[in-house]
Amino acid sequence: QQQVKQSPQSLIVQKGGISIINCAYENTAFDYFPWYQQFPGKGPALLIAIRPDVSEKKEGRFTISFNKSAKQFSLHIMDSQPGDSATYFCAAGGSNYKLTFGKGTLLTVNP
Amino acid sequence: DTAVSQTPKYLVTQMGNDKSIKCEQNLGHDTMYWYKQDSKKFLKIMFSYNNKELIINETVPNRFSPKSPDKAHLNLHINSLELGDSAVYFCASSQGFGNQPQHFGDGTRLSIL
Repeated sequence: QQQVKQSPQSLIVQKGGISIINCAYENTAFDYFPWYQQFPGKGPALLIAIRPDVSEKKEGRFTISFNKSAKQFSLHIMDSQPGDSATYFCAAGGSNYKLTFGKGTLLTVNP
Repeated sequence: DTAVSQTPKYLVTQMGNDKSIKCEQNLGHDTMYWYKQDSKKFLKIMFSYNNKELIINETVPNRFSPKSPDKAHLNLHINSLELGDSAVYFCASSQGFGNQPQHFGDGTRLSIL
């Protein structure tokens, strides 16, 4: 049973555009929602994270929007750059302290 | 300095062999993890240790045995390797046991022939 559903599977955006990746979760016990960025041959790296007491968190060009009632959260990448091309994973963590990952989104930003 | 380092980076071996992967972190963290990333890039936790104590043990075949000699090291030994074990194995660490930022190594790509 996949507890965190991520979409789209792949995304192509032009340089300067906005990249949007969505995730939905089922378990209401989740209370920590990080996003990880992974480049080929590298391990995932934490990009930004949010907890359910806020609806939005922004760090530079990266913003997480969180909708607790809909059990959804999304990553927005403003002014997308070719260097942002990577695989992005959403994840959710709860009281059992395990992170459950989405299946990933391969983002390609064309110059 | 590499924060979370894994060795080896690549491991190619025959089915039935036994192999180990080592992980070390120099971040002073007290919690370490092993993840498996399959060919479709799906990441799944396998084990977690906090202060050398096993706290997460997912449904993993008992051919996989983690070992934490101290807080900075977490090794993974795999017996009787099978074709389905081919994957990238990631070590990670965090400060504190809970939903804290995790720092990942660059992975060990295991290929079973």
